[in-house]
Amino acid sequence: DAKTTQPPSMDCAEGRAANLPCNHSTISGNEYVYWYRQIHSQGPQYIIHGLKNNETNEMASLIITEDRKSSTLILPHATLRDTAVYYCIVRVGNAGGTSYGKLTFGQGTILTVHP
Amino acid sequence: EAGVAQSPRYKIIEKRQSVAFWCNPISGHATLYWYQQILGQGPKLLIQFQNNGVVDDSQLPKDRFSAERLKGVDSTLKIQPAKLEDSAVYLCASSLGRGVQETQYFGPGTRLLVL
Repeated sequence: DAKTTQPPSMDCAEGRAANLPCNHSTISGNEYVYWYRQIHSQGPQYIIHGLKNNETNEMASLIITEDRKSSTLILPHATLRDTAVYYCIVRVGNAGGTSYGKLTFGQGTILTVHP
Repeated sequence: EAGVAQSPRYKIIEKRQSVAFWCNPISGHATLYWYQQILGQGPKLLIQFQNNGVVDDSQLPKDRFSAERLKGVDSTLKIQPAKLEDSAVYLCASSLGRGVQETQYFGPGTRLLVL
């Protein structure tokens, strides 16, 4: 699976949009971009995923560049409860070998939302 | 629906002792995962089950770690004997098991401290 690069930490003011970047320059055509987050003392929580089109759900929006080498997770109105570690993961889209369904987590971005 | 259940939530043992963790996945989920998360790092997959069969155990230290899912539902992960470097949070996750792009749902984890 392709590797990802994320800033180690970011700050955001409550009520403002939080834009979390992720670089995945070696992504392959069959690899999806996934975002999970982990709030302190909890297990990771799925946020959103996409292949090449921008995606939006009730939690966030995912913007993927046209060349798919980078993406941005957007939390439109950050709250204090959004303070967490955010993981950007590239995951293979078809079964085969040991990559079947596997999530490979990096160190993520620690997002701190301030009042 | 009920989430992934794990027990115990916390465990303190001395090195060379044995320990076991239990996981009950979301009802109907065929795929079960065990991850290890060392402080300051992202979770690392130890083993993945599809029903009661092992799909991937390439990162499981098999000299001391073992896992089973005998009836294809709940699972246990055992460490025997424990080492200091096994101190970590052990996360269990599950998914439906019908495709590689499924969402994984994580439990709260078991925090292990080896003294």
